[in-house]
Amino acid sequence: GQNIDQPTEMTATEGAIVQINCTYQTSGFNGLFWYQQHAGEAPTFLSYNVLDGLEEKGRFSSFLSRSKGYSYLLLKELQMKDSASYLCAVDTGRRALTFGSGTRLQVQP
Amino acid sequence: GAGVSQSPSNKVTEKGKDVELRCDPISGHTALYWYRQSLGQGLEFLIYFQGNSAPDKSGLPSDRFSAERTGGSVSTLTIQRTQQEDSAVYLCASSIEALRRATDTQYFGPGTRLTVL
Repeated sequence: GQNIDQPTEMTATEGAIVQINCTYQTSGFNGLFWYQQHAGEAPTFLSYNVLDGLEEKGRFSSFLSRSKGYSYLLLKELQMKDSASYLCAVDTGRRALTFGSGTRLQVQP
Repeated sequence: GAGVSQSPSNKVTEKGKDVELRCDPISGHTALYWYRQSLGQGLEFLIYFQGNSAPDKSGLPSDRFSAERTGGSVSTLTIQRTQQEDSAVYLCASSIEALRRATDTQYFGPGTRLTVL
């Protein structure tokens, strides 16, 4: 079966840095995605990793280690608008994504 | 179009009724996906269409669920004899998927919130 784990909830302070972890055990691997989803809205694409290493995109970075089945999303200089759910998803080879349950991040002043 | 659109945005129905949910993908995107998201849960894959190929229906939870994609564009998800456990947000996504290569980014619509009373 497919298993993707991420923490259910996290809290961080405005201006700080937060790291959201994702571990996966899947039958195949074609890449890992991170999506952001504000309450009541559609998920929006943040990042894609298929090779080991760090991908940086502005305040957001995503890291992948395929050998460890591990990824993290790093958010720097947190803003109140970053309060949202962050979804880790894996393409296991069937094109449709397999999602974790999401991490709800609350940014406090 | 500018993005993936879905209709209706909200649907309330009675148990046992049939419902149809519509998805308009981004123009030029050949792949279309349906997912559902129950309260507090992750997204659950339902069905995937790619061009003229046979759809991947492996995620459909029961034979009450079916989907069509006409002309390689608009898709309709039909749920027959709805049950209360069908209540969820149904999300549609599309991607380019011109070739079997590195995974293409999926772009999501705003979803249809289905409530079965």
